[in-house]
Amino acid sequence: AQSVAQPEDQVNVAEGNPLTVKCTYSVSGNPYLFWYVQYPNRGLQFLLKYITGDNLVKGSYGFEAEFNKSQTSFHLKKPSALVSDSALYFCAVRDMRSGATNKLIFGTGTLLAVQP
Amino acid sequence: GAVVSQHPSRVICKSGTSVKIECRSLDFQATTMFWYRQFPKQSLMLMATSNEGSKATYEQGVEKDKFLINHASLTLSTLTVTSAHPEDSSFYICSARGRVTGSYEQYFGPGTRLTVT
Repeated sequence: AQSVAQPEDQVNVAEGNPLTVKCTYSVSGNPYLFWYVQYPNRGLQFLLKYITGDNLVKGSYGFEAEFNKSQTSFHLKKPSALVSDSALYFCAVRDMRSGATNKLIFGTGTLLAVQP
Repeated sequence: GAVVSQHPSRVICKSGTSVKIECRSLDFQATTMFWYRQFPKQSLMLMATSNEGSKATYEQGVEKDKFLINHASLTLSTLTVTSAHPEDSSFYICSARGRVTGSYEQYFGPGTRLTVT
């Protein structure tokens, strides 16, 4: 079965420190992986994606993610966290099953709390 | 570019009435639109996928007669919650898939908070 796991419900980090939000996936074939951010009562905003190529993907707002095929992971990272980064982060993988018509499978989300 | 709007952003309705939510792609054509439901502190649950000019494909467990989806044009899809009940109260998010800057991606709307009293 295809799935995405975000093992941490919440990540706490002090402002200025590096942050990591974890994501692992299970999918047949080569994965298309995404990170989205959601602020309270808002829709999802696209941060970055991995389709192919360089394993380190750079995205919006200084975020980056590293694709690791052997560990089936796609962790989101940022070298220096800001209080304004506090939000809900979703990892997603494209459903690659036949007839799936580009559906995305989302993880359960990780709440990032950055303390001043 | 790639802006998706939803209207209304919030709606309160009485039990038994119907509510229509609009999803528009403002600056691109969306061949496919998706409707999601999100409960508090939970992930997005895909409800249905709609392609312009054809019937929507509903996910298992989603009542198609209760959640009517119409995708009449390449820029507009609507979700109508019929005979709403308090358990239908939720945050509904649409996304539109289209070709922007050379690649196809899903772009999400800001969501609609539905409260059924």
